[in-house]
Amino acid sequence: KNEVEQSPQNLTAQEGEFITINCSYSVGISALHWLQQHPGGGIVSLFMLSSGKKKHGRLIATINIQEKHSSLHITASHPRDSAVYICAVRWLLGNQFYFGTGTSLTVIP
Amino acid sequence: DSGVTQTPKHLITATGQRVTLRCSPRSGDLSVYWYQQSLDQGLQFLIQYYNGEERAKGNILERFSAQQFPDLHSELNLSSLELGDSALYFCASSLLAGPSYEQYFGPGTRLTVT
Repeated sequence: KNEVEQSPQNLTAQEGEFITINCSYSVGISALHWLQQHPGGGIVSLFMLSSGKKKHGRLIATINIQEKHSSLHITASHPRDSAVYICAVRWLLGNQFYFGTGTSLTVIP
Repeated sequence: DSGVTQTPKHLITATGQRVTLRCSPRSGDLSVYWYQQSLDQGLQFLIQYYNGEERAKGNILERFSAQQFPDLHSELNLSSLELGDSALYFCASSLLAGPSYEQYFGPGTRLTVT
């Protein structure tokens, strides 16, 4: 059983499209992270959420603690957004981290 | 550049051997995390240190051990290596240990066990 489920697994979009990636989790959490991993392998933390909504540029992340669900939105997508997006949660009990399997996004010019 | 450094970048070794991976956190960060990313298991949390003390433990095998030194750098020791230990090992750091602190990831060490 995977504590964190992401959808979709793969996503291809045209440049300029609005993109949504979803993350559902089954454990009580203290925080949820959205990570971006580029083809070269490097990982960048995009957002850390414990409630509500955050926005950085064209990226928006929301979390609904009651429904155990988070979404990552990319507005006006661009080819440079092509990467794997990974959802990670920090378990409330024990501080363990659980990761989703990632969403591979390709944005076509 | 996140400010987190990891050495070496690549490591190729044989089964049964022992290796040490090194991580230097961002200046001022007190907490260090280790993660393993393999093709079949994805990203997994191994262990977290805060100011020299173990803070949280994940799926770290008994053959693996880690520590954080007084200068805050950390080392991950992998022994009796098996083919399945081949993976990318990431280190991340954060200012403090709590869940509300952003993590900054290093570039990773790619370990190949032959």
